This record gives sequence, structure tokens and C-alpha cells, in this order.
Amino acid sequence: AQKVTQAQTEISVVEKEDVTLDCVYETRDTTYYLFWYKQPPSGELVFLIRRNSFDEQNEISGRYSWNFQKSTSSFNFTITASQVVDSAVYFCALSEWRSSASKIIFGSGTRLSIRP
Amino acid sequence: DGGITQSPKYLFRKEGQNVTLSCEQNLNHDAMYWYRQDPGQGLRLIYYSQIVNDFQKGDIAEGYSVSREKKESFPLTVTSAQKNPTAFYLCASIDPRPGEKQEAFFGQGTRLTVV
Repeated sequence: AQKVTQAQTEISVVEKEDVTLDCVYETRDTTYYLFWYKQPPSGELVFLIRRNSFDEQNEISGRYSWNFQKSTSSFNFTITASQVVDSAVYFCALSEWRSSASKIIFGSGTRLSIRP
Repeated sequence: DGGITQSPKYLFRKEGQNVTLSCEQNLNHDAMYWYRQDPGQGLRLIYYSQIVNDFQKGDIAEGYSVSREKKESFPLTVTSAQKNPTAFYLCASIDPRPGEKQEAFFGQGTRLTVV
């Protein structure tokens, strides 16, 4: 069975601090995808990144970076020099890809608050 | 521009009434999903569909029904059997073909309040 755990329910930091959001997943598949989404107060989910299970390279996009480690089943997300606009709920998600129907399973989310 | 449209954004219904939430996409995606989000909670999968005229139950399908008569449309009906229907509902679509981007695109959501 698939499962995504985001143990941090809420995080609050002061602007310009670095912050890491943790994501741990469970799956029996060898082929899967991991995602991070941002949900601002408006409610719509904004795609941030997708990683497939064959690619363990870390990725950096501006102030965002992701650390994928299959050995620990983790896909952590770091925001460097945080800004107030980063305040949102962040979701980690897992998808097992098969030839037939696939589910996308989300973690419970981490609410990030950046204080000025 | 391609995207997913959910309507309405806010919906109020009386207890015991069925209500249908609309989800339309023009991304030519085969796969579509419905999620429910309660305050302070994550997203829970209600139903999903990989192709027209086919759909599967997610983790919390009881009290809901869907149809997939057209590729572009995946409406969700919240029936009177759903004991606690007040929630935020999100629709998503994805291109599941191997090698494709496989990013799930989400609509803006429908906030349903049952009074």
C-alpha cells in the first residue's frame, strides 16, 4: 500500500531563514513518482516538482531544492532564504505508475508560516 | 490556455439534497481525479478515472458518485448518503503516458457547505 507521511504539521520561521519540509513515503512498487505541491490561501494547488524513482539527483530551482533519497524513502524540500510569499501549505505526493489506473496519494501537508 | 475548470467556486445546499460539482479540462488528459480536503487536513482521494466510461473508487468513495461520459468532463455528485459533505473539493487531471510530464493539474476547487 502507498503512504506519504509529512510529520511536520506546522512550521514557523522568520523571513530569510532556511527551512526544510520533510516527506517520507512507502510503496512496494519499483516505479513511482514523487511530487511537491504548494497550496496558497486561495486553495488551488500549484505544482512545484516531480521526481521519478530512477532519478536520485537532487534538484535546485532558485531558492527551492529537493533531496531525494531512496535508501531512506525520503523526498525533502528546502527553501533557502525564505520569504513571506512562501507562506502556504505544502503537500508531498506519491504516484505508482502502472499500465492501468494509478492513484496519486497525498500527505497531510505542512503549513509553513514565514514571519516578517 | 489549457487548464481545469471547476464550478461553482462556492456551493450551498440543504441537508439531504444531492449536488453535482462540475470539472472540465481541455488538456486532453486521459486521467482525472476528485479529492476532498477538510480544514487543516490533506487531500483524500474520492474517485479517479483513467479513460472514458471507466472509473475506480478511491479511499473515501462512500456517499459519492461520478461519471465519465466524455474525456473532458468528470462530474462528482455528492449524494444524501454522504454523512459529512461540507468540505473543499478539488479536481485534477494528468497525462499518465510513460515519459510524459505526469504533473497533476488542479482546478481552483469548489467549497461545498451543507446547511
